[in-house]
Amino acid sequence: SQQGEEDPQALSIQEGENATMNCSYKTSINNLQWYRQNSGRGLVHLILIRSNEREKHSGRLRVTLDTSKKSSSLLITASRAADTASYFCATDNYGGSQGNLIFGKGTKLSVKP
Amino acid sequence: SQTIHQWPATLVQPVGSPLSLECTVEGTSNPNLYWYRQAAGRGLQLLFYSVGIGQISSEVPQNLSASRPQDRQFILSSKKLLLSDSGFYLCAWKDSYTEAFFGQGTRLTVV
Repeated sequence: SQQGEEDPQALSIQEGENATMNCSYKTSINNLQWYRQNSGRGLVHLILIRSNEREKHSGRLRVTLDTSKKSSSLLITASRAADTASYFCATDNYGGSQGNLIFGKGTKLSVKP
Repeated sequence: SQTIHQWPATLVQPVGSPLSLECTVEGTSNPNLYWYRQAAGRGLQLLFYSVGIGQISSEVPQNLSASRPQDRQFILSSKKLLLSDSGFYLCAWKDSYTEAFFGQGTRLTVV
């Protein structure tokens, strides 16, 4: 079953602009992760934020987590054409499926040069 | 360093034929192993996971099965493929509460 739900489903921006993608989830989590997928390839891990963290940075990436709203956002600053890809959030949950990542449907980002 | 190998990259199989996709991991021991399926333009659906040799859990009922004959080997199988089994299959490994590492995927087309 889907846990994370990203929005928007698709986002088209110009190079140099910022891109913001949002993710909502339903159950208690240990951590939330963001992944990137180039077309027809495997997923690559971008950043992990733990449930007791509110914000995390990695290069041009900024992730926030609001556990009270069960939501997260991924901000890519100063986007580049090479950032064109699909981005997925995934939750690492407590409970019976401990350690299993449950993915959302993703946001398809297109950065135009 | 840890690496994950998944093959083949693409596969075209007729309806009713068997399937075997293999995934192996290097550089880690006793990993949690996963098989996901991704329909075109969609998110990832968890199919199977394994926390150890011979231990397989299925997340959704389907025409597929999985096996883990060795610690770092995970196999996805079917005795008779259906058209609806077409998709992009991804193998991954992770430890509890860490990031996952994915293979490059297998594009399966059932014709």
